[in-house]
Amino acid sequence: QKEVEQNSGPLSVPEGAIASLNCTYSDRGSQSFFWYRQYSGKSPELIMFIYSNGDKEDGRFTAQLNKASQYVSLLIRDSQPSDSATYLCAGELNNNDMRFGAGTRLTVKP
Amino acid sequence: ETGVTQSPTHLIKTRGQQVTLRCSSQSGHNTVSWYQQALGQGPQFIFQYYREEENGRGNFPPRFSGLQFPNYSSELNVNALELDDSALYLCASSPWEMDEQYFGPGTRLTVT
Repeated sequence: QKEVEQNSGPLSVPEGAIASLNCTYSDRGSQSFFWYRQYSGKSPELIMFIYSNGDKEDGRFTAQLNKASQYVSLLIRDSQPSDSATYLCAGELNNNDMRFGAGTRLTVKP
Repeated sequence: ETGVTQSPTHLIKTRGQQVTLRCSSQSGHNTVSWYQQALGQGPQFIFQYYREEENGRGNFPPRFSGLQFPNYSSELNVNALELDDSALYLCASSPWEMDEQYFGPGTRLTVT
C-alpha cells in the first residue's frame, strides 16, 4: 500500500468554481502535510502546509486535515485557468522521510 | 523563484557511468533533501542532509550517496548508472529538518 494516495484525475472544473483535491495517507505517525503545485516541466511549488486537525486558509486556498480519517484535502476557490497544474500531496513520516502522492492533474476551463 | 539553484540543468550519461549533481540551498536554510521524480510520478525521497550529516534516507540503494558542505550546499552522487535512473532530480531546502521545503528547478538526467 502506498503511503500517500491521490486520485490521479484529471479533474476538470469551470473557471470560478471550487476545485477539491483529496489525499489519504496510511502512516498514522505522519505529523505534517504539504500541498505542492507543479506546472508541466517545472519543479514543485509549495502552496500550503498543515500540521493540526481542522482547516487552514490562505487566500483562495484552504487545506483540511483529519488525522482520525487519515485524510488531507485542498480546496481552491474561484479557480482560474492559471491554476491548471498537477497538485502533489506530501506527508512527513516519522523517520524524516517525506512521501509524495502521484499527483492530481487539475484543468480549469475558461 | 525559491533561491534554490541546481546544476547542471540537463545531463546525458551512459549506463555504468557515475554522475554528480549539485544544489545550493536558499539563504538561511540548513537542511537539504534530494528527490527523484520519474515522468508522471510524484517525487521520491532519496535522502536528507542536516548540518552536513545524513538525516534520513528513502528506499534507494547505496550507489546513491550525498554530501553537504559547511555552506549547506549539497551534492548527489550516483554510481553505476542504470537506465531506470533517468529522471528529474530535485533538491529542496528547508530551514529545519522536515519543515516546509522549497524546491530548486531540478536536473534532468538521461541515461542511455
